Amino acid sequence: GENVEQHPSTLSVQEGDSAVIKCTYSDSASNYFPWYKQELGKRPQLIIDIRSNVGEKKDQRIAVTLNKTAKHFSLHITETQPEDSAVYFCAASERSSASKIIFGSGTRLSIRP
Amino acid sequence: GAGVSQSPRYKVAKRGQDVALRCDPISGHVSLFWYQQALGQGPEFLTYFQNEAQLDKSGLPSDRFFAERPEGSVSTLKIQRTQQEDSAVYLCASSLAGGGDETQYFGPGTRLLVL
Repeated sequence: GENVEQHPSTLSVQEGDSAVIKCTYSDSASNYFPWYKQELGKRPQLIIDIRSNVGEKKDQRIAVTLNKTAKHFSLHITETQPEDSAVYFCAASERSSASKIIFGSGTRLSIRP
Repeated sequence: GAGVSQSPRYKVAKRGQDVALRCDPISGHVSLFWYQQALGQGPEFLTYFQNEAQLDKSGLPSDRFFAERPEGSVSTLKIQRTQQEDSAVYLCASSLAGGGDETQYFGPGTRLLVL
């Protein structure tokens, strides 16, 4: 089955700087890669997703890139703000099943004022 | 509109007790998913429904875990004879149509503590 590795596990950046979180996946047939943001005690919320027919997607300060050959994808947050502090999870669909999304172990992002 | 809701938000159980966790998906969403999230970890898939049919229960950790969605809307996750290792946040998610390549909307979770 699908296996998703995520790093770093913790990341601290100065407010206004950029943050990058990287993930790798094992199933070459995976075709859907969502990113979720989870604040302490809250539900995971989708912030951006990408499908395997594109290599990059951007939404304001957030962008995701996908390298299918290398089986890795990354989240980029520019001009970070205090409200970006949260745990971020990458995920990948498991194509052997019509239903599963496999999550990475999370990155705790802290924005220093 | 209303999002996914779950109840109770917190549950404390004594080891050996049975618990039932409820999920109300977004109205009209066909697919419903249950996940278990241990402290400091990502959500782990438990089971998946399309309408009332349970199509995948491969993530249920033991036969003490049982889920149902009898009318294709509200779902209940039941854990029998709870153990301390069952302590976790149980998240429910729903999606409009079906499959793992659609956006899943999560509920706030039920935090279960087994003493």
